[in-house]
Amino acid sequence: DTGVSQDPRHKITKRGQNVTFRCDPISEHNRLYWYRQTLGQGPEFLTYFQNEAQLEKSRLLSDRFSAERPKGSFSTLEIQRTEQGDSAMYLCASSDTRDRVIEQYFGPGTRLTVT
Amino acid sequence: DAKTTQPPSMDCAEGRAANLPCNHSTISGNEYVYWYRQIHSQGPQYIIHGLKNNETNEMASLIITEDRKSSTLILPHATLRDTAVYYCIVHNFGNEKLTFGTGTRLTIIP
Repeated sequence: DTGVSQDPRHKITKRGQNVTFRCDPISEHNRLYWYRQTLGQGPEFLTYFQNEAQLEKSRLLSDRFSAERPKGSFSTLEIQRTEQGDSAMYLCASSDTRDRVIEQYFGPGTRLTVT
Repeated sequence: DAKTTQPPSMDCAEGRAANLPCNHSTISGNEYVYWYRQIHSQGPQYIIHGLKNNETNEMASLIITEDRKSSTLILPHATLRDTAVYYCIVHNFGNEKLTFGTGTRLTIIP
């Protein structure tokens, strides 16, 4: 399977704990995006990378959130001191700027539940 | 990116054409209309996009009105696997993020 993969698929944590999610984009895709989706809503943009550079961050990305893409390949999203309001699906997507369509390919998501 | 308006839900009989409308009255000249869908428990999937001409691919057709203020996504022969939430997105290539609304929940009825 050469699609976008995310790990873990599900995470249950207690309030106050730190969690880290991983995203592996499609090989050679130079852009990587993180979105968050709550029940009944469409995905909301969090941040994106061009290679290893983080080029835009949403106001939704509080200082408890940090994302990295150290070698321009996989990315991690860490949430520190989780709150119940962080419960959501976290989606990763990748795209290739050489692609005329600039289609974003999404992974299956990581569902976070904060108890 | 301009805002879009879609009906919250629609039903369509299996084998019939599903026509999903979208209003985007504030679209600007350099903004494209994109459609994605999200099947339950999966990430969104690109379907089609267009600027002003009608477009067709193996999944769907996109009809954009001449004034570009609205569009219709057509699934020509809907199957049960087309049951999903369909998002209409107006997107400017200079803006990397996709802005999703709440979409239309399409249910294909056997």
